[in-house]
Parts: sequence; C-alpha cells; structure tokens
Amino acid sequence: QSVLTQPPSVSAAPGQKVTISCSGSSSNIGNNYVSWYQQLPGTAPKLLIYENNKRPSGIPDRFSGSKSGTSATLGITGLQTGDEADYYCGTWDSSLSAAVFGTGTKVTVL
Amino acid sequence: QVQLQQWGAGLLKPSETLSLTCAVYGGSFSGYYWSWIRQPPGKGLEWIGEINHSGSTNYNPSLKSRVTISVDTSKNQFSLKLSSVTAADTAVYYCARVGRKYYGSGSYGPNYYYYMDVWGKGTTVTVSS
Repeated sequence: QSVLTQPPSVSAAPGQKVTISCSGSSSNIGNNYVSWYQQLPGTAPKLLIYENNKRPSGIPDRFSGSKSGTSATLGITGLQTGDEADYYCGTWDSSLSAAVFGTGTKVTVL
Repeated sequence: QVQLQQWGAGLLKPSETLSLTCAVYGGSFSGYYWSWIRQPPGKGLEWIGEINHSGSTNYNPSLKSRVTISVDTSKNQFSLKLSSVTAADTAVYYCARVGRKYYGSGSYGPNYYYYMDVWGKGTTVTVSS
C-alpha cells in the first residue's frame, strides 16, 4: 500500500553509522521535499528531518538527510541505544494529491 | 509550545462511524493545515487527510468515500469521521500539524514542502463485534 519503499531493517554497533534509503517516483520524491520521522516503541512519531535536509530545533546533528532524484536517504552517525526505533520517510505525492509515507525501517543497535 | 490533545471512542462495532477530535493549544491555528494519520497494529503510517482553518480538505484517495474532516475555529479543534468501519480500520489514530508550502507546479500537479511537525499522543481505536 505504501508508495515509498524502505528496507525493513538496518543494524549496526554503537558508535557506528547507518543509512536508510527511501525510494519513490517522479510524482512524489522526484518533485517534492522529503521528511523523516522517528517512532520510539509505543510513542507517536517525531519529526527528525524536513525539507530534505533540515533539522528541527533539538534534533542532534548525528541525524542527516539527503535527496537525489527519486530517492532520499537518512543517515545516523554515532549510533546510540536510544536510536533503536522505527524510521519513516514522507512526502507529498502530486499525482495522488495526498501525503505518503514509506514502509518503515527498524533500526537495531547491536 | 504547541500541543495537540485528541480524544474519541476507542471501541466500535463494524458498520459504525469512528469519531475523533483534536484540540490545538498554545499556537496559531489559522496558519496551518491539520492532518489525521493512522497506524494499524504492527504496521506503518497511513495518511488519512488534512484540513485548514477555512475548511479546505484533502483526503487519501483510498479512504475518501468514507472520510470527513471538519474544523471548528472557535475552539481551535478539528475532527475526523470515518464511516462504515470494519476490523481493517483498527489502528492508532494520530492528529498532527502540517508544515505545508506550495513552491510550484510540475508535470504531475502542485509541488509542496510537506511535513508533520507536531503530533498528538494517539488514540487506539478497535473495531470488533
């Protein structure tokens, strides 16, 4: 059902880096700005990145975002146990006239 | 600091209408769009729709026939109604503030900056006979 595709899971040891991909199409990522959300277990999603690569106040610079063509990437450096969560990309789809989310990626800190 | 407080019935029978309300505290109401998102158990996020202070709405095409989002600007509240619910509508429902800015039109239609920057805590809705 999700228009945007993410890997189901990624993992790394504490202190390492992980990247999460988000693949879409010209009608969504290709022509609109991407956001990223972190959802800790049992809580509401939290905005991590907006307008492809901007961080809201209070989000550490360990989190970064980028976009190229119809794909986007979230990077997390200096991985911490508190980063274990589900991560979702999101954007507007101009063909659907609707917001869309990615399938979600579970980050595990080994 | 903007806060969203949401409430509504948590247990419904099939064919009933889901009804949730979200109140906005501590910030501007008229300058934003406001949205509803849901998350079935163990699954991902699904956008339901959005509304602005003047009542302009957009809905998920897959839910459009059953969804109504309305606004009460006198109370800084917006509401969701989803009719003819089934077990597939069992989910946690979130309200959220939308950061949304038009920046041009392309081959597929209008293009936007679009993100949800403030979220409610969520309301669990279960549909069961």
